Amino acid sequence: GESVGLHLPTLSVQEGDNSIINCAYSNSASDYFIWYKQESGKGPQFIIDIRSNMDKRQGQRVTVLLNKTVKHLSLQIAATQPGDSAVYFCAENNSGAGSYQLTFGKGTKLSVIP
Amino acid sequence: DSGVTQTPKHLITATGQRVTLRCSPRSGDLSVYWYQQSLDQGLQFLIQYYNGEERAKGNILERFSAQQFPDLHSELNLSSLELGDSVLYFCASSVAGRPETQYFGPGTRLLVL
Repeated sequence: GESVGLHLPTLSVQEGDNSIINCAYSNSASDYFIWYKQESGKGPQFIIDIRSNMDKRQGQRVTVLLNKTVKHLSLQIAATQPGDSAVYFCAENNSGAGSYQLTFGKGTKLSVIP
Repeated sequence: DSGVTQTPKHLITATGQRVTLRCSPRSGDLSVYWYQQSLDQGLQFLIQYYNGEERAKGNILERFSAQQFPDLHSELNLSSLELGDSVLYFCASSVAGRPETQYFGPGTRLLVL
């Protein structure tokens, strides 16, 4: 079946720099996307979401961009901090399929260098 | 803290045994989702319950089952355990109006010896 994937499995950034984590999805019918952060030994933590009728959404220090033309999703973290070190997952849902299950990508590990 | 609780945090058992994992959703959330997470398969959806009724099934094995009780807590039952069942199990919950926005619990790490 179709699934969500990630371009980069690992990303190292200097503290204070901006981070960009990318995600490619293949199900053109997906209409809802979420970014989760998972720290070691913890469950996925909701960061930000976006619906397919939007192309950008901003939160606190984070921005999600959605490009439906190329089926690409990105998470931008401004002024990256050591506490941002974690694995980041994108997930998608196709509500039109009648189910709200999320399909997850493999994850990108973000390491912040102090 | 997401407000979703799971017990136990760790569970060690033997092959062939049966275990029950418990999940309490956030206050007011009617939907509970179960996922498993492994290094090679990542996070995969198992099953969803809404207000006590099964709503969707994913890649859940026949020897696994789940239920949601009137107080909305849910249990995932794993039987005839195999070594390969040694992964993380997460539950998530969501509000009725936004079922796709799911908040995850801390997970149960199962080790089958």
